[in-house]
Order: sequence, then C-alpha cells, then structure tokens
Amino acid sequence: EIVLTQSPGTLSLSPGERATLSCRATQSVPGNYLAWYQQKPGQAPNLLIYAASNRATGIPDRFSGSGSGTDFTLTISRLEPEDFAVYYCQQHGRSVRTFGQGTKVEMK
Amino acid sequence: VQLVESGGGLVQPGRSLRLSCAASGFTFDDYAMHWVRQAPGKGLEWVSGISWHSGTIDYADSVKGRFTISRDNAKNSLYLQMNSLRAEDTAFYYCAKVGADYGDYGAFDHWGQGTLVTVSS
Repeated sequence: EIVLTQSPGTLSLSPGERATLSCRATQSVPGNYLAWYQQKPGQAPNLLIYAASNRATGIPDRFSGSGSGTDFTLTISRLEPEDFAVYYCQQHGRSVRTFGQGTKVEMK
Repeated sequence: VQLVESGGGLVQPGRSLRLSCAASGFTFDDYAMHWVRQAPGKGLEWVSGISWHSGTIDYADSVKGRFTISRDNAKNSLYLQMNSLRAEDTAFYYCAKVGADYGDYGAFDHWGQGTLVTVSS
C-alpha cells in the first residue's frame, strides 16, 4: 500500500498570499497518478488536480500541481476567500487507492 | 452527473447494512466506481472500488472480508453490503465516479453527497 503524508497539517495564511501544500509517498506513484481534492465543511470533496498537474474541469488557474515519483505539490498562487478549506492528496495509480491525511488552509 | 447515496442509518454492532448509489447523467457502465468514507471530523478513507464490468474489485484492509461492493449496470446503481459492522465503521459514506481520463485509474471527478452510517448499541 502506498502511504501518503501531507504537510503541513495546518497552513495559516491571508487572502492574496501563496499556499504551498506537500504530499509525500512511501513509494513511487505509478504514472505520477496523484490527485488533489478540496473539501469544505458539510460538502463532498471536489477534484482539483489529477495525474499530478492536470486541472479538472472548471478549476481556476490559480491552482496548480507539480511533482513526480514520491514528492508532489499543490500551489494556490493567490488565495481567494473561498479557497480556505481542507485539501487531500490521493494516489490513483494503483487499484487500491489511498488518501493523505489532509492539510487545512485557514485564514490568518 | 448525479450520484445519490441511500441506505445509511443507525445500526447495532455486528449487524448489517446495505448502501446504494443511484447514478444518472452519464453512461454508468463505462466507468469504474468507488466508495469512500469519512468519520465525523476526520479525513477521507478509500473503502472499495469496482471496474465497469465488475471484473476488478478491491477493498481496503480495514473492510476486507466484511464489506462487498457490487453494481447493477442495468439499474445504474452501485452497492456496498456491509456486514459485521463495528463502531469504527461509523462515517459518512460517499460513492464516487472515476474521470474519463486513464480508464479505471482515473481520479474521482464526481461524488455523491454521502449517507451517514452510525454503528452504536
């Protein structure tokens, strides 16, 4: 099983600032099939990025993903008020999927 | 695309429950489907997945041997049979559809709103 570790656990930032979230895998993610999801309170998760760097339909270009192998990054270039939420990474390269534990982006 | 889960509720430890997910707005039998759960206030946990033709089925170790995933393509429905339920199975259960890219290995591009399962005496 591929274990994903996200850091930091919480990120305290102000609107307009840049957010950098990390996701590290215990082994190489096949095909770099690493996704990022955003979840707001009381809502289902929403797909942001798939296969490390591909934005999902309708996702603003302030969200970008990068990385390969075992190290991946989600960057939000300038935080908007609606971006304060919890973010999860997930590997979708194995039929047994796994999620990271989440990073909460909170308003400073 | 719409995914609507049902079947959640309060159940005693050791009992069974069957969840359903009704799909619409897409060609159901073209896509693999998954169940993901989230204990209240906790993170996401992948539970199980099934390929479009039911030929490939996988489970998380935490539910293997107790839960059974299935689908009925004629009814555009996904199911999760949960047996021998434990307190630690208490969670919101979401069904999710894989995206069109990368076949069965797509990320989850659509999710239902979830159904709450509470295991308690």
